[in-house]
Amino acid sequence: LAKTTQPISMDSYEGQEVNITCSHNNIATNDYITWYQQFPSQGPRFIIQGYKTKVTNEVASLFIPADRKSSTLSLPRVSLSDTAVYYCLVGRVTNDYKLSFGAGTTVTVRA
Amino acid sequence: NAGVTQTPKFQVLKTGQSMTLQCAQDMNHNSMYWYRQDPGMGLRLIYYSASEGTTDKGEVPNGYNVSRLNKREFSLRLESAAPSQTSVYFCASSEVRVQVNTEAFFGQGTRLTVV
Repeated sequence: LAKTTQPISMDSYEGQEVNITCSHNNIATNDYITWYQQFPSQGPRFIIQGYKTKVTNEVASLFIPADRKSSTLSLPRVSLSDTAVYYCLVGRVTNDYKLSFGAGTTVTVRA
Repeated sequence: NAGVTQTPKFQVLKTGQSMTLQCAQDMNHNSMYWYRQDPGMGLRLIYYSASEGTTDKGEVPNGYNVSRLNKREFSLRLESAAPSQTSVYFCASSEVRVQVNTEAFFGQGTRLTVV
């Protein structure tokens, strides 16, 4: 699995856009980029996944530059309920798929 | 639709006691995982099972054993609990198809304290 680096923490205010960048310099050709969100006292949940360019869903957008060595998760107009830990995962799916998480980024949204 | 169910939700053990954490999923997923999460830390993979009948070690397997009882169930056993195993344990499952990435679904966790 490609090693990922993301900020330990970020602070924001309600209504702002939050952008979390994940570095993955040794990403392989077949690797996907996946983001998970974890609220306190809960298990992580899938947010978004992409391979290249831009992916958008009802929760977030994922921007991936052409070289794919980094990716940015964008959370539009955050609210207090977006306070959580966000994990960036990079890997390819094989028959023996090991889902490994790093330390994540703790996002704190303030009023 | 229950998803991934873990039992128990809370447990206190004395050092040296044994116990089994249960996990069941109703999504017909092939792959299942056990993680631990210590306070303020990310998730660390203990064991995983790519398919029924197979298990493999993750990052921190020492002190644990697992059983993939059938496609639905994946249990984690602590043979002789130690205070260092105090943690929150999460079970997860996913449908893995080669070259197609899929999301993993997590249970609500088991909060284990070893005194």
